[in-house]
Amino acid sequence: KNQVEQSPQSLIILEGKNCTLQCNYTVSPFSNLRWYKQDTGRGPVSLTIMTFSENTKSNGRYTATLDADTKQSSLHITASQLSDSASYICVVSPESYNTDKLIFGTGTRLQVFP
Amino acid sequence: DVKVTQSSRYLVKRTGEKVFLECVQDMDHENMFWYRQDPGLGLRLIYFSYDVKMKEKGDIPEGYSVSREKKERFSLILESASTNQTSMYLCASSPPISGKGKGKFQYFGAGTRLSVL
Repeated sequence: KNQVEQSPQSLIILEGKNCTLQCNYTVSPFSNLRWYKQDTGRGPVSLTIMTFSENTKSNGRYTATLDADTKQSSLHITASQLSDSASYICVVSPESYNTDKLIFGTGTRLQVFP
Repeated sequence: DVKVTQSSRYLVKRTGEKVFLECVQDMDHENMFWYRQDPGLGLRLIYFSYDVKMKEKGDIPEGYSVSREKKERFSLILESASTNQTSMYLCASSPPISGKGKGKFQYFGAGTRLSVL
């Protein structure tokens, strides 16, 4: 069964600190993996997208890594800010020619305190 | 910037009512999606559409229907709302897939929080 699991479920850090969120997936065959940020009460906003041939992708202070062999991804946030408080959702796309159906993780809720 | 607009941020309806959730996108995207999001379950796909007047069931279509009469608009319909349909509903759109292994971002609306009493 295609699944995406994220850890931890929730995380609290102090402003300025770094953190790493984990994503394990069992989706096969695999097309690409995406990370979204979702502020409370808002829709998800895309951060990165990586195909199976990419190992890392950065977007400002966000760096996503992908190990397609172990089916693991991580999202590293550097020098956290209060505005980073949100849920981070890992999303995997099964390989397909003509569909964009996605498999969503349940997210990691990050809280950044001053 | 891509804009996906959902007509209501919050809705309160009574059991048995017919409910319409509207979604409009301004980027001429072919693909549109409706999800519901519940705590601990992540986003689950209800219906999606790849073209005008075209629709396909997602993972949890029971109790829902959709309408896509125009490319920019995708409506989700709850024929007879029930309390277990209380949830956050998210609409998304994306450009067409281009080639094997190529994925595009899905752009999401702000969501509609529906409460069915």
